[in-house]
Amino acid sequence: ETGVTQSPTHLIKTRGQQVTLRCSSQSGHNTVSWYQQALGQGPQFIFQYYREEENGRGNFPPRFSGLQFPNYSSELNVNALELDDSALYLCASSSVDRGIETQYFGPGTRLLVL
Amino acid sequence: AQSVTQLGSHVSVSEGALVLLRCNYSSSVPPYLFWYVQYPNQGLQLLLKYTSAATLVKGINGFEAEFKKSETSFHLTKPSAHMSDAAEYFCAVSPNSGGSNYKLTFGKGTLLTVNP
Repeated sequence: ETGVTQSPTHLIKTRGQQVTLRCSSQSGHNTVSWYQQALGQGPQFIFQYYREEENGRGNFPPRFSGLQFPNYSSELNVNALELDDSALYLCASSSVDRGIETQYFGPGTRLLVL
Repeated sequence: AQSVTQLGSHVSVSEGALVLLRCNYSSSVPPYLFWYVQYPNQGLQLLLKYTSAATLVKGINGFEAEFKKSETSFHLTKPSAHMSDAAEYFCAVSPNSGGSNYKLTFGKGTLLTVNP
């Protein structure tokens, strides 16, 4: 167990709707990252938050946004859902040991857009 | 830009046989390297990581990987496969920049099946 939890486990939305996915990181982990994993693919980096500010972003449009809260929880918001947004969304919280960051993943939220 | 190539999208071995999953990376400087395992309908679990301390890295569940700079490789091995090893395996790389090395770049994964 990584100590990272995500909710909900599964979600069905229709095209054009908005969705909020939630993640609870390990206590003491100030960094959270979000990834999108399409079926049959490796995870793709969406963005990372450090101490409640965006710390880096992958090649995703602005309709993908996030929030991080002081209690080690975070959200991924996706507006104007498209069919291609159907995927497993993973969050990962990070620990840093001797300057090296290691990411620990939650179980994911599987989103289906119809 | 960094990238990872996993050779073989599907590897099938017999129980008790050697497991070899291949990973090659592309990076201007030796990066940090990771292997993750994903069981069906689950998230990713860290198997092991290379952070330049030692080229042979031992992980959980009997897995190990060897960093070879000359070959830009980080292949994952296990001497004897067990049925419970059946899963998808991902190799990932992150920058060794000395600062925030946040972005993990993943390969496309290798599905390991273990035959009785």
